[in-house]
Amino acid sequence: DAGITQSPRHKVTETGTPVTLRCHQTENHRYMYWYRQDPGHGLRLIHYSYGVKDTDKGEVSDGYSVSRSKTEDFLLTLESATSSQTSVYFCAISDGGFTEAFFGQGTRLTVV
Amino acid sequence: AQSVTQLDSQVPVFEEAPVELRCNYSSSVSVYLFWYVQYPNQGLQLLLKYLSGSTLVKGINGFEAEFNKSQTSFHLRKPSVHISDTAEYFCAVIQGGSEKLVFGKGTKLTVNP
Repeated sequence: DAGITQSPRHKVTETGTPVTLRCHQTENHRYMYWYRQDPGHGLRLIHYSYGVKDTDKGEVSDGYSVSRSKTEDFLLTLESATSSQTSVYFCAISDGGFTEAFFGQGTRLTVV
Repeated sequence: AQSVTQLDSQVPVFEEAPVELRCNYSSSVSVYLFWYVQYPNQGLQLLLKYLSGSTLVKGINGFEAEFNKSQTSFHLRKPSVHISDTAEYFCAVIQGGSEKLVFGKGTKLTVNP
């Protein structure tokens, strides 16, 4: 299995609180992605990174920010969590060149 | 911008029957196409990919897909399914010149005995 770890795996938080999810890789892959998965919507891209300090928005980026200060870590922050952000969040990594993307096990976030 | 449409949200089939999961994409430039599978409570794993060359692509677990540029389709097929193929299947696309990986909404395949 590719070395990709998401933390935490489960989190319950209150509306209005900040939340940070972490994706850590040991593969030295250049590209990292954050997706959210919701029933009926499949996986939707939130943000992705193509290098340290290089990030870009996906299709559902409102309410989320990301940071990548080193190759191995990609952080997703919900500045002020809302109930609509209750979801399962997946991190993925790839080496680019249209190679396979490897996925983490997911983080189940519940905003109450 | 590229997008992916999976035409069926759920596909029930009987064991040993053939199955086709449909995927259409939209893009004005060259694309690279993927099928991923997600088993319950797990992350996604790659089934197969089309980058260039032969339009018929073979993947793991006996699955194959055919790239059809004129119909902008990349349908996934298996001639005989097993109970263990029950999972959700996602079609995905990367547009040439980008590394933005975009997924369809998924198709839940249920294989019944």
